[in-house]
Amino acid sequence: EPEVTQTPSHQVTQMGQEVILRCVPISNHLYFYWYRQILGQKVEFLVSFYNNEISEKSEIFDDQFSVERPDGSNFTLKIRSTKLEDSAMYFCASSRLGTDTQYFGPGTRLTVL
Amino acid sequence: DQQVKQNSPSLSVQEGRISILNCDYTNSMFDYFLWYKKYPAEGPTFLISISSIKDKNEDGRFTVFLNKSAKHLSLHIVPSQPGDSAVYFCAASANNQGGKLIFGQGTELSVKP
Repeated sequence: EPEVTQTPSHQVTQMGQEVILRCVPISNHLYFYWYRQILGQKVEFLVSFYNNEISEKSEIFDDQFSVERPDGSNFTLKIRSTKLEDSAMYFCASSRLGTDTQYFGPGTRLTVL
Repeated sequence: DQQVKQNSPSLSVQEGRISILNCDYTNSMFDYFLWYKKYPAEGPTFLISISSIKDKNEDGRFTVFLNKSAKHLSLHIVPSQPGDSAVYFCAASANNQGGKLIFGQGTELSVKP
């Protein structure tokens, strides 16, 4: 069964450093998403991406964040200058259509020191 | 953002009995609802969904009921099994929001043998 994969599983970084989180969505899916879950809190939407453009973004997704689909398989989330409060689990998801079920990857745990 | 609420943080059920997990929402524009199951340090796993044009959807042991007038949905698991022990999230989306899912806080289900 096809699945969403994410790398790395755990990333530790110093405050102010740039990080790139990587995702490989399910191959025939066209819509891609990033969510995050701060420990003990809800899963929160960050951004959706379709046809090489951002479709929707939350207020969390400020100028420090960017997304890219650099090739036909990868989907990345970049945080330009990490803050302590960026520490969270980051989940990538994909769906075939924008109104379809989203399938989630296993997550990347980001720890900012 | 309290648009989707799961008011019970935890639920304990005996194996073989029915588990009922509840979810309330406030946004009348939501037209698609999903239930995800999540284990610690893993991504959400899709369980079952329902469109706002239906009031019930069934898949094996899992049934989701939607009451649009009450803005309430519930997930029934019958019979409950110890392997069902996990955190269950309901999520909702509106057609015009780029696939953005709004999650509830989650309910931790414990099924005791």
